[in-house]
Amino acid sequence: QSVLTQPPSVSAAPGQKVTLSCSGRSSNIASNYVSWYQQLPGSAPKLLIYDNDERPSGIPDRFSGSKSGSSATLDITGLQTGDEADYYCGTWDSSLSAVVFGGGTKLTVL
Amino acid sequence: QLQLQESGPGLVKPSETLSLTCTVSGGSISTSSYYWGCIRQPPGKGLEWIASIYYGGSNYYNPSLKSRVTISVDTSKNQFSLRLRSVTAADTAVYYCARQLKVSNWFDPWGQGTLVTVSS
Repeated sequence: QSVLTQPPSVSAAPGQKVTLSCSGRSSNIASNYVSWYQQLPGSAPKLLIYDNDERPSGIPDRFSGSKSGSSATLDITGLQTGDEADYYCGTWDSSLSAVVFGGGTKLTVL
Repeated sequence: QLQLQESGPGLVKPSETLSLTCTVSGGSISTSSYYWGCIRQPPGKGLEWIASIYYGGSNYYNPSLKSRVTISVDTSKNQFSLRLRSVTAADTAVYYCARQLKVSNWFDPWGQGTLVTVSS
């Protein structure tokens, strides 16, 4: 069971917007930076968002992150079939003294 | 650009020690502000952080694995290594290496990963 809670799956149509959620607690999301990763089938994870809402160079602005209290969200607009992947959130947990990840959300673009 | 490459045994017997080496290319491992981390992913499951190390030797471990794990760095070879002792089938996973910004705890870039299977 993961420390951070993500819905197992989400689906949406091409061109639509989807919001992926990541829920934690005061010791992790509420008090530390959140990052998001995209894992395409058969590939290693790739950093999408860091420091809650910053995009690394090369990441399209269709991807955006935000944080409020002990929850974080990843928004993806203008969905493309190539966005089908698993998405993970991660942060530091001050109580556990460990980097923690969510269980991942599988995004299906119908 | 910076790249990481994992090398591992592929197959390890139960109760033995898993050894993983991560080679950094396209940049120096002796870079301030960055740690170097190991993360694993059991087949069909999520990500689990194992340990991280700074080029100067400072390290920290996932408490759930700390008693069985040692991470080390060799700056002369631009490598860092992980040893996981007394492995069981539950340690079967793809093992990844990644650069980590400690202050924010994000990982980028990641190596391609190497599958390590624990089986007799």
